[in-house]
Amino acid sequence: DTEVTQTPKHLVMGMTNKKSLKCEQHMGHRAMYWYKQKAKKPPELMFVYSYEKLSINESVPSRFSPECPNSSLLNLHLHALQPEDSALYLCASSQEGGTDDGYTFGSGTRLTVV
Amino acid sequence: KQEVTQIPAALSVPEGENLVLNCSFTDSAIYNLQWFRQDPGKGLTSLLLIQSSQREQTSGRLNASLDKSSGRSTLYIAASQPGDSATYLCAVIVSPTDDYKLSFGAGTTVTVRA
Repeated sequence: DTEVTQTPKHLVMGMTNKKSLKCEQHMGHRAMYWYKQKAKKPPELMFVYSYEKLSINESVPSRFSPECPNSSLLNLHLHALQPEDSALYLCASSQEGGTDDGYTFGSGTRLTVV
Repeated sequence: KQEVTQIPAALSVPEGENLVLNCSFTDSAIYNLQWFRQDPGKGLTSLLLIQSSQREQTSGRLNASLDKSSGRSTLYIAASQPGDSATYLCAVIVSPTDDYKLSFGAGTTVTVRA
């Protein structure tokens, strides 16, 4: 299995809702990432988990809450989002440092906040 | 701070023409460089990963070169097809001191006209 699977593919949520994005990989990668991508811009790093521990939080607002239940799963919990949080959310994984086989990205979750 | 630049920002060619996409980076102390393809609204698909000790990688019609000393990589796509229309992103995997961070260029959007 050489894929990163993200669910759901599309999500529409109100500003008072609570929802979660899910990401799964079975490549034995020990680093997992959340990226946010706005239209016509490159992805921006949000969080990095290494060996199931949060190692990087790129000053992301607390309305985004990551969780890594085990080495194969990564969640992003969403609460009280703003319309400007509408974007494509990408999950990625890699071996430590991305030095062996690079980074593998999922197909993304298209999030719309109304 | 590593800065990655991709030129041109957009490219339109007739089918069959060869494509040349350029990527430059400011800090030559990189681990690897990875080229991705992104279709509109979709995730990133890895095309080629060049290890820092390598000078090029090839896969089918794709060839990527890396010159660390001059801070440049070039992606060549031979005999372009309409299905090659997409945005191509160059990403540099920086040294461990930056904790697994990928530095992305802004991308080159390619249109191949039938």
